[in-house]
Amino acid sequence: DAGITQSPRHKVTETGTPVTLRCHQTENHRYMYWYRQDPGHGLRLIHYSYGVKDTDKGEVSDGYSVSRSKTEDFLLTLESATSSQTSVYFCAISSDLNTEAFFGQGTRLTVV
Amino acid sequence: AQTVTQSQPEMSVQEAETVTLSCTYDTSESDYYLFWYKQPPSRQMILVIRQEAYKQQNATENRFSVNFQKAAKSFSLKISDSQLGDAAMYFCAYRTSGSRLTFGEGTQLTVNP
Repeated sequence: DAGITQSPRHKVTETGTPVTLRCHQTENHRYMYWYRQDPGHGLRLIHYSYGVKDTDKGEVSDGYSVSRSKTEDFLLTLESATSSQTSVYFCAISSDLNTEAFFGQGTRLTVV
Repeated sequence: AQTVTQSQPEMSVQEAETVTLSCTYDTSESDYYLFWYKQPPSRQMILVIRQEAYKQQNATENRFSVNFQKAAKSFSLKISDSQLGDAAMYFCAYRTSGSRLTFGEGTQLTVNP
């Protein structure tokens, strides 16, 4: 298994609170991604990174921010959680454009 | 923006039979990569097969093969001799030269014994 770990695995939080999800890799891969998975929508890209401090927005970036201060960590922050952000969040990593992306185990976030 | 469309939310197949899952994508790029991923109930994402757009030959991995039609922007997955363990959600994905990786909505495959 690729060395990629998401934390926490499960979280319940209240509306309006900030939440940070962490993705940690031990593979030294250049590319890192955050997705959310919802029924009927597949995996939708939130943000991605192509290097330290190099990030770009995906298709559903509103309400989310990311940071990558070192190669191994990619943080996803919900600035003020809303019920519409209840979802399963996946982190993925890859080394090159033509290689597969490896996925973390997912984080189930519930905003109440 | 690049989009990936899977028009079949659900498919079913009899064990040992063949099934084809459809995927189309929209892009203005000439160089890109295509993937099929499988997600069983465990939620783990597993690569099934990949195709480089510059290669004309269709990729094959054991019972899994693709029909890549670049002009039509179509990338279907054929599963031969379907097995019970093939039951899962299948996602088509497209990756640009700029590293963005976009997924379709998924097709839920049921394999009937």
